[in-house]
Amino acid sequence: AQSVTQLGSHVSVSEGALVLLRCNYSSSVPPYLFWYVQYPNQGLQLLLKYTTGATLVKGINGFEAEFKKSETSFHLTKPSAHMSDAAEYFCAVMRAGGGNKLTFGTGTQLKVEL
Amino acid sequence: KAGVTQTPRYLIKTRGQQVTLSCSPISGHRSVSWYQQTPGQGLQFLFEYFSETQRNKGNFPGRFSGRQFSNSRSEMNVSTLELGDSALYLCASSLGLSSGPSRYEQYFGPGTRLTVT
Repeated sequence: AQSVTQLGSHVSVSEGALVLLRCNYSSSVPPYLFWYVQYPNQGLQLLLKYTTGATLVKGINGFEAEFKKSETSFHLTKPSAHMSDAAEYFCAVMRAGGGNKLTFGTGTQLKVEL
Repeated sequence: KAGVTQTPRYLIKTRGQQVTLSCSPISGHRSVSWYQQTPGQGLQFLFEYFSETQRNKGNFPGRFSGRQFSNSRSEMNVSTLELGDSALYLCASSLGLSSGPSRYEQYFGPGTRLTVT
């Protein structure tokens, strides 16, 4: 069985500061990993994904994440936060060969302050 | 290209009733997945349909069912509604292919907010 742990249900940063959202996964085999963002009253938008290849993945809106197998982590970062980044962020895993079933973490609400 | 559309966006039902939610995937996408989002349980996978066949199923009671039509549109049905079924129901579409760089990308609709009273 797979699981995802997101440390910190709420994270607050100043505008222009580094954003770091943590995600650790548990899986018997290396999974595929995703980060999604959800704005109020909207669905989920894919930020980035890791399936194979380069472990540093770049996504939309300046976000990137690094897959670290030894640490079973896939933390999301952005060098400089913008007010528009305020949203809820979800880390998710998908088992290789397991169809399109995503297992999500509990989410991290990002607040960006002036 | 139009995104994933879900109808209706908001729904209020009474306990014991049944409800049907609809999802139209992105043109060319053959896989549709459904998720339930609640404050207490978070995002949970309900089921996935590909080419009119259920390909994956989550751990939900049999009151939750779905189907997919030949045009890839999907519906999910919840019978005998309970208060705990109040949630945002999200539909996601993907190509559903077995190869290619985009095969794992799922695109979500805005959801249907179901309130059971």
